[in-house]
Amino acid sequence: EVQLVESGGGLVQRGGSLRLSCAASGFTFSNSWMHWVRQAPGKGLVWVSRINTYGSSTNYADFVKGRFTISRDNAKNTLYLQMNSLRAEDTAVYYCASPGGDPDYAFDYWGQGTLVTVSS
Amino acid sequence: EIVLTQSPGTLSLSPGERATLSCRASQSVSSSYLAWYQQKPGRAPRLLIYGASSRATGIPDRFSGSGSGTDFTLTISRLEPEDFAVYYCQQYGPSPPKTFGQGTKVEIK
Repeated sequence: EVQLVESGGGLVQRGGSLRLSCAASGFTFSNSWMHWVRQAPGKGLVWVSRINTYGSSTNYADFVKGRFTISRDNAKNTLYLQMNSLRAEDTAVYYCASPGGDPDYAFDYWGQGTLVTVSS
Repeated sequence: EIVLTQSPGTLSLSPGERATLSCRASQSVSSSYLAWYQQKPGRAPRLLIYGASSRATGIPDRFSGSGSGTDFTLTISRLEPEDFAVYYCQQYGPSPPKTFGQGTKVEIK
């Protein structure tokens, strides 16, 4: 059974930092591109970032460039999102998601999400 | 960046009725890269349709997707009680960002 389990969310002050983790199991993590998607309270889904299988290529949405860093540890089957200079508008549930083994596939696997709240 | 606009914002229907949801793109999307997701309150999204018209594993055949270019449609042929939820389209082409539409809520009338 495929599982993605996010952790690391919580309450942080504006300007602070937080690191999210996503532990993967049930599929070949090291062969899978990984993504972060977020959802502000009562709002829609917004793509945040992606990383290739080796961790050598990353992409970010414009609104997090220079503040967030995506990374992975294939030995630990874990994806990370380092979030710095947090703003109130970063308050959201953060999901890790994956298309599985095909990078150009839709997001077949999703975690349950972890809530990040940035207080002003 | 491709912008996806979904309509209507809310669809009020009764169980057994047909639901038709629209997703319009600001520029052409290869049909290979258009997906639909279902999301229920407090839950993660679930993939329903990929490649504009292919059902994901385990998705009932009352869900169907169609369209090409800039206009795509998700149809639920006969609404079951568990189908009342929010639905999102997404374009997931090779180049980021992998944008989502703003969602359509299907609610019980």
